Amino acid sequence: QSALTQPPSASGSPGQSVTISCTGTSSDVGGYNYVSWYQQHPGKAPKLMIYEVSKRPSGVPDRFSGSKSGNTASLTLSGLQAEDEADYYCSSYAGSNNFVFGTGTKVTVL
Amino acid sequence: EVQPVESGGGLVQPGGSLRLSCAASGFTFSSYWMHWVRQAPGKGLVWVSRIKSDGSTTSYADSVKGRFTISRDNAKSTLYLQMNSLRAEDTAVYYCARGSAHYDFWGQGTLVTVSS
Repeated sequence: QSALTQPPSASGSPGQSVTISCTGTSSDVGGYNYVSWYQQHPGKAPKLMIYEVSKRPSGVPDRFSGSKSGNTASLTLSGLQAEDEADYYCSSYAGSNNFVFGTGTKVTVL
Repeated sequence: EVQPVESGGGLVQPGGSLRLSCAASGFTFSSYWMHWVRQAPGKGLVWVSRIKSDGSTTSYADSVKGRFTISRDNAKSTLYLQMNSLRAEDTAVYYCARGSAHYDFWGQGTLVTVSS
């Protein structure tokens, strides 16, 4: 149950796009379409942004999109806004009723 | 409004026990899988445990297997986490979250501190 690998940080100016990667193995990210993404502001509970690789829950702006290729999933934030500054975590089903999170990425809006 | 609310956190000595609760409202609790996720101070999210809607299936992270027990009382719409043989590295905010393979609603968390 090793954590999925994410870059520690990412940044962009307002209006730009930022893409965060989430790298696992064929036993988790690559093996199932159960990758999800969470946004967490300081001191707050995480919020679901993307589930099943690319589906958006009701209320999440379409500026947030997800994809997957092989053992790597990605979250793209388009049209970056100040309120997007937060920590982002990926998560994946890892088989045998186990789950794993990513190491987290701090997104900074310049 | 879907609202899980955790309680039961606090300060406990190494080797001690604690039981966390998560009271759910705003949805049909008995229809949903539930999870516990924790976050050590300044660190990332870590999955801890999951339980099926009817309580028949449970799973645990290797780091807590044999020490923690997840359970639920659907009549009370409440999820539990019994934590035994606590260690310093179990210090974290513990969140309950709804969902099967993803977590669509989270509580605000309860802080567990393991220290002498």
